[in-house]
Amino acid sequence: SYELAQPPSVSVSPGQTASITCSGDKLGDKYSSWYQQKPGQSPVVVIYQDDKRPSGIPERFSGSSSGNTATLTISGTQAMDEADYYCQAWDSNTAIFGGGTKLTVL
Amino acid sequence: QVQLQESGPGLVKPSETLSLTCTVSGGSISGYYWSWIRQPPGKGLEWIGFVYVSGRTNYNPSFKSRVTISVDTSKNQFSLKVNSVTAADTAVYYCARLQVAGIGHWFDPWGQGILVTVSS
Repeated sequence: SYELAQPPSVSVSPGQTASITCSGDKLGDKYSSWYQQKPGQSPVVVIYQDDKRPSGIPERFSGSSSGNTATLTISGTQAMDEADYYCQAWDSNTAIFGGGTKLTVL
Repeated sequence: QVQLQESGPGLVKPSETLSLTCTVSGGSISGYYWSWIRQPPGKGLEWIGFVYVSGRTNYNPSFKSRVTISVDTSKNQFSLKVNSVTAADTAVYYCARLQVAGIGHWFDPWGQGILVTVSS
């Protein structure tokens, strides 16, 4: 079955750029989405179709995808961005989520 | 703005059936795909399946034999049933709208989630 791999944790200093990767076989041939989940809250989509940002999501969130890797980039990271982030893609009509990455803003 | 709200029992006994309902407000359930996703405590997200308003369904193969998702357009609701539950089915269950566009689909918005515990 298809799998998406994410690093368990990423740390970043306030104001710096955070990059969270998501790896899967030929992931660049599929569309990826990214979800932010803060403690005790529901997930919220921050990027869809690799690089599109929903209305209301700050411009500091961006996405890209190529080869076997999709990347979520947060520029000028703020303390409020500390959360779990999940990538998601579709394979054989099945939605697959990555294991999640805990972003810590130190 | 569309909002989703899960409802149902928070405690289910092993071997019984878990039944949840998602009520859609602020918009019509028609014309969209609707999905269930779960998250065991302290773990990641797992997609269960989706239903279209026509009744067409698609399930995660890992659940296929135990899960039924249905829709009731008259009530603007869709539902989830999971048969023969075990402790491994203990999770927060989310309902979400599946945004379909070409081959790139995403989940937005999500309900607040409901914790279902499987225990005797």
